[in-house]
Amino acid sequence: NAGVTQTPKFRILKIGQSMTLQCTQDMNHNYMYWYRQDPGMGLKLIYYSVGAGITDKGEVPNGYNVSRSTTEDFPLRLELAAPSQTSVYFCASSSAYEQYFGPGTRLTVT
Amino acid sequence: RKEVEQDPGPFNVPEGATVAFNCTYSNSASQSFFWYRQDCRKEPKLLMSVYSSGNEDGRFTAQLNRASQYISLLIRDSKLSDSATYLCVVNNGSARQLTFGSGTQLTVLP
Repeated sequence: NAGVTQTPKFRILKIGQSMTLQCTQDMNHNYMYWYRQDPGMGLKLIYYSVGAGITDKGEVPNGYNVSRSTTEDFPLRLELAAPSQTSVYFCASSSAYEQYFGPGTRLTVT
Repeated sequence: RKEVEQDPGPFNVPEGATVAFNCTYSNSASQSFFWYRQDCRKEPKLLMSVYSSGNEDGRFTAQLNRASQYISLLIRDSKLSDSATYLCVVNNGSARQLTFGSGTQLTVLP
């Protein structure tokens, strides 16, 4: 039972490049979330999904897009990367209120 | 005012000490409350839920005061392994979204 997995673990992007952060969970959870965490700060919600085919914006959605075609997968797309998107990105899933987090993707945009 | 506010610390305490963390939240409609633990460069993990009647899990005691919108975490007999950042987390009742505080950093010294 892998829980929540994220790829890649690390990535360096140049300004203006695009990439997709992958997130997969094997717990059959309906709820999935993407957060970013800047140094010394709490997690901020980017997007979330309550089930396959349903997504909604969180607190900081600008510059990101998501899709949820299956229960298991919830990829996060960055278009036109900017230095302000340098952060650690965590994906999470839940069936009730406890959220289970993936190990994170450390992204640097230079 | 931040939705969830915590003293960032750092708290540096000797092994065996008792340490208390406090947290306030701004949304009086919040329904569920949690403490998560985050080790350095790792993902957050649920430490314990917080109930109105107060709850205890071994050396950890959590309390909630809804009237004052205040949550606390008490750690007794601190261990070196308790060194981490402790995140106060509140659910605002919407799609099981969680709002995270910025965290309180604890270092237990030998």
